[in-house]
Amino acid sequence: NAGVMQNPRHLVRRRGQEARLRCSPMKGHSHVYWYRQLPEEGLKFMVYLQKENIIDESGMPKERFSAEFPKEGPSILRIQQVVRGDSAAYFCASSPKSGTNYGYTFGSGTRLTVV
Amino acid sequence: KQEVTQIPAALSVPEGENLVLNCSFTDSAIYNLQWFRQDPGKGLTSLLLIQSSQREQTSGRLNASLDKSSGRSTLYIAASQPGDSATYLCAASGGDDYKLSFGAGTTVTVRA
Repeated sequence: NAGVMQNPRHLVRRRGQEARLRCSPMKGHSHVYWYRQLPEEGLKFMVYLQKENIIDESGMPKERFSAEFPKEGPSILRIQQVVRGDSAAYFCASSPKSGTNYGYTFGSGTRLTVV
Repeated sequence: KQEVTQIPAALSVPEGENLVLNCSFTDSAIYNLQWFRQDPGKGLTSLLLIQSSQREQTSGRLNASLDKSSGRSTLYIAASQPGDSATYLCAASGGDDYKLSFGAGTTVTVRA
């Protein structure tokens, strides 16, 4: 079992470019969560998705950020027109059912640097 | 809104000493309290999950307690080793049961 796979591990983008972060959940997990960790801060919830559905995107900035989890393929977190403040580590987690009592498995994260 | 605080922010101890990491949360209506370990540049590894109905959980040298009434959890690591050096994160799940609120972490250094 390969665990939660995130790629790329590191991503450098110039201001104004687009960033695409990918997350493949553990086998058998259909619930995906994205968290962002800013420097010197704790992880903050961004969005919760199930296959083809966004359940809760309350933690995601209203502009430039979007997420999807298609029927086939990985979950994608997309950031358009990146700015320096988007530089952070983005973590994806998955679970077999909804609810943290079932345990989250986190990926190794994507570290985005905007130059 | 759940707020999670971890004290101290950093801790340095000699090898063999017991570690005590503190976590406090503002909303006692939680589903569970979890402790994670994060190594530099790496992801999060789940250490212990304490359900709201439980008072503590143990795994090897690790023991975590939960006191919902006071909004506190403590992670104890016995007989620390240099390999225990990492950042330890506390996270509370409440309100929406799928959402975790994280503290900023305690960075531990165990000196050989």
